[in-house]
Amino acid sequence: QQQVKQSPQSLIVQKGGISIINCAYENTAFDYFPWYQQFPGKGPALLIAIRPDVSEKKEGRFTISFNKSAKQFSLHIMDSQPGDSATYFCAASFPGYSTLTFGKGTMLLVSP
Amino acid sequence: GAGVSQSPSNKVTEKGKDVELRCDPISGHTALYWYRQSLGQGLEFLIYFQGNSAPDKSGLPSDRFSAERTGGSVSTLTIQRTQQEDSAVYLCASSPTGWETQYFGPGTRLLVL
Repeated sequence: QQQVKQSPQSLIVQKGGISIINCAYENTAFDYFPWYQQFPGKGPALLIAIRPDVSEKKEGRFTISFNKSAKQFSLHIMDSQPGDSATYFCAASFPGYSTLTFGKGTMLLVSP
Repeated sequence: GAGVSQSPSNKVTEKGKDVELRCDPISGHTALYWYRQSLGQGLEFLIYFQGNSAPDKSGLPSDRFSAERTGGSVSTLTIQRTQQEDSAVYLCASSPTGWETQYFGPGTRLLVL
């Protein structure tokens, strides 16, 4: 019940296209859903995060869409650029509990 | 300012040896986490320290793994009698409050031969 399932495992998108990564969870007690971005040889870094009281959050070219009834959330990268090529992790946590449960990651390659 | 630092950046050891991995969190951050990242397996939580509270050790995979945090700052993850399946990247993260944003270090790449 603490799993976060992420798909796809890898993704290739052309420059200028839209990258979409999906995550699903089972435990309805999760109330914080961040996305982390990781470049090769680096640690993950927080990209954007959402709480269940909103259905969408946008920061620049990055948007999280959240569907509470379906227990799914997704990351959309608009106008994808080669510099976006990285591994993306979704995660979730419980209220008052500080440990994040991570998905297995999506390796994104944006071709020039 | 300085981010989370980890040392060594790479470690090669022989099966059966003990290893120590070090993490220096961001100054003032009360929460510190250790994760293990294996190829294709995402980020696996190992242990969590918050201030002076007892650590959450629920993610440690076996009693060969242990960690301590001295003076609420530097942390050391120790793996005893290393096995080949311990080969992975070990990531440390810190957080100002133990909630929401975690700031990760670059990791230590451990290879057990």
